[in-house]
Amino acid sequence: KQEVTQIPAALSVPEGENLVLNCSFTDSAIYNLQWFRQDPGKGLTSLLLIQSSQREQTSGRLNASLDKSSGRSTLYIAASQPGDSATYLCAVVGGSYIPTFGRGTSLIVHP
Amino acid sequence: GAGVSQSPSNKVTEKGKDVELRCDPISGHTALYWYRQSLGQGLEFLIYFQGNSAPDKSGLPSDRFSAERTGGSVSTLTIQRTQQEDSAVYLCASNARDRVYEQYFGPGTRLTVT
Repeated sequence: KQEVTQIPAALSVPEGENLVLNCSFTDSAIYNLQWFRQDPGKGLTSLLLIQSSQREQTSGRLNASLDKSSGRSTLYIAASQPGDSATYLCAVVGGSYIPTFGRGTSLIVHP
Repeated sequence: GAGVSQSPSNKVTEKGKDVELRCDPISGHTALYWYRQSLGQGLEFLIYFQGNSAPDKSGLPSDRFSAERTGGSVSTLTIQRTQQEDSAVYLCASNARDRVYEQYFGPGTRLTVT
């Protein structure tokens, strides 16, 4: 059974720092890995999706990498801003077509 | 529509009543998923539809929970005889079941059982 772990569970940083959020998964037979952002009381917003054949994806200040063989992904946030404060979740999709989610990293960026 | 929509956005009900939650997926998306997120908890998978059929109902927590999907589009999640532990945000997602399997989420329905 696929298990997804996100470290750290919570992070509080001053504005301007570069951040690395980690996601690990136990079964490397995946179709993709997707990073989401969730603001309090809201649904999930897709940030980046990395297909199994890809190594990384970039969008603005965000960069996500995937090392399928070691079961790891990192989300890099450059020059963090208070507006980046949210919970970040990763999810993997494998042969069951049902995404498995991590518990998320709660990020606070203070001015 | 442009995205996944859910209704109602908020629902307060008394213990023992039945509730229906609705999800409208992105047009053309054949796969639809229901999740539950309790306060401070992660996402709990409930059920998955491919077209109108549900290959995986393994996440439904009890026989009080049921879901259906008609016309390969709208889905309804029904909770009978609601209990206080059913209070949570219920999230719906869809994807095109192409090789990418990118998930698109709705805004959720916040259910409060008093």
